[in-house]
Amino acid sequence: TQLLEQSPQFLSIQEGENLTVYCNSSSVFSSLQWYRQEPGEGPVLLVTVVTGGEVKKLKRLTFQFGDARKDSSLHITAAQPGDTGLYLCAGGLSQFYFGTGTSLTVIP
Amino acid sequence: GAVVSQHPSWVICKSGTSVKIECRSLDFQATTMFWYRQFPKQSLMLMATSNEGSKATYEQGVEKDKFLINHASLTLSTLTVTSAHPEDSSFYICSASPDSTQETQYFGPGTRLLVL
Repeated sequence: TQLLEQSPQFLSIQEGENLTVYCNSSSVFSSLQWYRQEPGEGPVLLVTVVTGGEVKKLKRLTFQFGDARKDSSLHITAAQPGDTGLYLCAGGLSQFYFGTGTSLTVIP
Repeated sequence: GAVVSQHPSWVICKSGTSVKIECRSLDFQATTMFWYRQFPKQSLMLMATSNEGSKATYEQGVEKDKFLINHASLTLSTLTVTSAHPEDSSFYICSASPDSTQETQYFGPGTRLLVL
């Protein structure tokens, strides 16, 4: 059982479509991070959300931290091929956990 | 700032040989470095945590005699895969943290290992 479950695991969409990736847990996190990893590269931090209910925007990406700080979502508007990659949520409790990952492919 | 490099970026070796992977923090001192293994389109699996000047802490199930980690300075950690087998083929990623926490870690670009 993974502490941070992401859904969907795989997602393939057409350029221009919108999508949402979810990161869920039964545990309360003080903060959650989202990373994007392109094929053959290391993960790059996109954002850290700290406050329950917080919404952060990064261009076409919108991140939300659940009110109870147990879940988070990433919404991408008008996806582009450059958004293709593995998206990982992550957070620390007694130790640091990575989510199960969502592999996104945006088809031109 | 906060750049981490890995060398080599990819390596092919014969079964039974050893392979060394270097992880360097280029513009900051890394109290702690982390080594991960990753299979295609899957999440990161922490293998071990290394602190400068001390023995690495290995995660459960990771053989310390097979994956030798040395953290000789505040900017360099090495992972040596000893007596490599085809099942060791994977993507190995390091990260470096200036404050020993994974919340503040900067990832290297990864090393692709293929064992024939």
